[in-house]
Amino acid sequence: QKEVEQNSGPLSVPEGAIASLNCTYSDRVSQSFFWYRQYSGKSPELIMSIYSNGDKEDGRFTAQLNKASQYVSLLIRDSQPSDSATYLCAVNLYSSASKIIFGSGTRLSIRP
Amino acid sequence: GAVVSQHPSWVICKSGTSVKIECRSLDFQATTMFWYRQFPKQSLMLMATSNEGSKATYEQGVEKDKFLINHASLTLSTLTVTSAHPEDSSFYICSARVGTGGLFGPGTRLTVL
Repeated sequence: QKEVEQNSGPLSVPEGAIASLNCTYSDRVSQSFFWYRQYSGKSPELIMSIYSNGDKEDGRFTAQLNKASQYVSLLIRDSQPSDSATYLCAVNLYSSASKIIFGSGTRLSIRP
Repeated sequence: GAVVSQHPSWVICKSGTSVKIECRSLDFQATTMFWYRQFPKQSLMLMATSNEGSKATYEQGVEKDKFLINHASLTLSTLTVTSAHPEDSSFYICSARVGTGGLFGPGTRLTVL
């Protein structure tokens, strides 16, 4: 089992709709979770971090964490063409000397 | 604000040569830096964790004698790809630990001919 798993996509969403991205992780003791956005040829940029169960909202982005299910998601409301990118889920694995491991990423395409 | 820089942003070298990539934290000190490698259309693979003043911790399958990491100061970590081969061509990205997360540098694209 991979430590951090994501659907690779591509996920195609019409402009203005909600894009939903999902991620599961294997390490039960992990405490820190991140969503990064990566445009082609560029390095990742942090969108959201979440540490507690529940929802965390920042503008059009909402991160959701469920530690019991080992599941973290990212919702993007009012999707824009500029949101088209690869979204990477990352987990700080406390049980592995506190290193940050990435999922394989989900490619999101917002169609006009 | 806090920024991580990398140099060079791209490099082309001949097979068999060594290439050094620098990662600097600007306006903050980074006790821990991570080095990742990313092949086209793949995710970031952690190569090693670099701690200032101590030996780097390498991930399974990463040759420590081939990928030399030096974290000599709180603002600088370097990755040297020794005797580079075409299969080492990749996008190398460093990340400085900030809190429990990471702040990424812009990456270095290495092409080995």
